[in-house]
Amino acid sequence: DIQMTQSPSTLSASVGDRVTITCRASQSISRWLAWYQQKPGKAPNLLIYEASTLESGVPSRFSGSGSGTEFALTISSLQPDDFATYYCQHYNSYPYTFGQGTKLDVK
Amino acid sequence: QVHLQESGPGLVKPSGALSLTCTVSGVSISSRHWWSWVRQSPGKGLEWIGEVYHSGSTTYNPSLKTRVSMSADKSKNQFSLKLSSVTAADTAVYYCARLRVIQANGYTGFDYWGQGTLVTVSS
Repeated sequence: DIQMTQSPSTLSASVGDRVTITCRASQSISRWLAWYQQKPGKAPNLLIYEASTLESGVPSRFSGSGSGTEFALTISSLQPDDFATYYCQHYNSYPYTFGQGTKLDVK
Repeated sequence: QVHLQESGPGLVKPSGALSLTCTVSGVSISSRHWWSWVRQSPGKGLEWIGEVYHSGSTTYNPSLKTRVSMSADKSKNQFSLKLSSVTAADTAVYYCARLRVIQANGYTGFDYWGQGTLVTVSS
């Protein structure tokens, strides 16, 4: 299985901050990576796919980058609605696996 | 508007079988997309269980392969999960989700999810 490792596990930030979450794959996954946002009691919500393609309806302050084994999700200017947990997930090969999550909370 | 809804027992006895159904509305499961089950538990995070295509083709997570079966019912626009020989470690929120296909061999991750259903394994 391909292991996905996110860092940091927890990130404290303020409204207006620029934040970056990283995701590392244990082997190359090309650009077959998705990012999700999850709020308590809700299902994950797709933000970005193919490493850098913004899902329809997702604000442009979200962006993704990377290829191979190193990826990043950046929020350019944090908004109150962005405090949540973020997951990366590869779909390069079976089985699909997720990162352990990064909880973004208020500083 | 695409909507997925899980249904099934919320409590299953140890060594028994967990059975869930996902009812899809707003899109036919006979479309080109794949239909998956994902679970989430505090101890293991998000775990992909497997996927089914409308033709009945399936792929399972090797970690669960000996205990999992999935099927698709085109007439009801539903797909189902059965997990046998359950233990407390199978206690989790179970989600059904769509793996979107945008072109030949072009996937995007899971774009639609059900609200999730908590399944507890306990006697």
